[in-house]
Amino acid sequence: QQQVRQSPQSLTVWEGETAILNCSYENSAFDYFPWYQQFPGEGPALLIAIRSVSDKKEDGRFTIFFNKREKKLSLHITDSQPGDSATYFCAASPTGGNNKLTFGQGTVLSVIP
Amino acid sequence: GPKVLQIPSHQIIDMGQMVTLNCDPVSNHLYFYWYKQILGQQMEFLVNFYNGKVMEKSKLFKDQFSVERPDGSYFTLKIQPTALEDSAVYFCASSLAHNAETLYFGSGTRLTVL
Repeated sequence: QQQVRQSPQSLTVWEGETAILNCSYENSAFDYFPWYQQFPGEGPALLIAIRSVSDKKEDGRFTIFFNKREKKLSLHITDSQPGDSATYFCAASPTGGNNKLTFGQGTVLSVIP
Repeated sequence: GPKVLQIPSHQIIDMGQMVTLNCDPVSNHLYFYWYKQILGQQMEFLVNFYNGKVMEKSKLFKDQFSVERPDGSYFTLKIQPTALEDSAVYFCASSLAHNAETLYFGSGTRLTVL
């Protein structure tokens, strides 16, 4: 059973466009949702995170929109740059989860100059 | 930023052999983790470790698996004996605190069991 699902599997956008990466989850106990960015040959690195008490979290060009009722969230990357080309993982954990993150399968983003 | 180092980056062994994956966590971090990623699938939690003890482990953490961090050296994942289904990329991570804190991941060790 896949508790965290991501779509699309891959996404290609032109430089300057907004990339939208989607994530949904099943476990109502999840309340912390980090997004990790991974470049080839490197480990995942925390990009931005949101807690379920919020419906939006912004950090520069990266924004998470969160819908608790529908158990969905999305990562918006505005003014996409070629350097944003990477795999993005949505993850989730419950309160007191001891950092036991449940990951989605990832979205591979390609930004064309 | 803080770095977690994993050694080796690739390891190929025969089924039934023992393998030890090494992780050098961020120096002041206290909590350590192993995650497993089979090719084409999502990364899955294996185990977390604090103060010399396993805090929690998943059902993927089979009896053949063990972790330790002797005297503040490498945090290790040992698999003995290995099985074909252990082939995966193993990611080590560390954090300063245990709850919803940033995890810092290494670049992974790709283990191939023949």
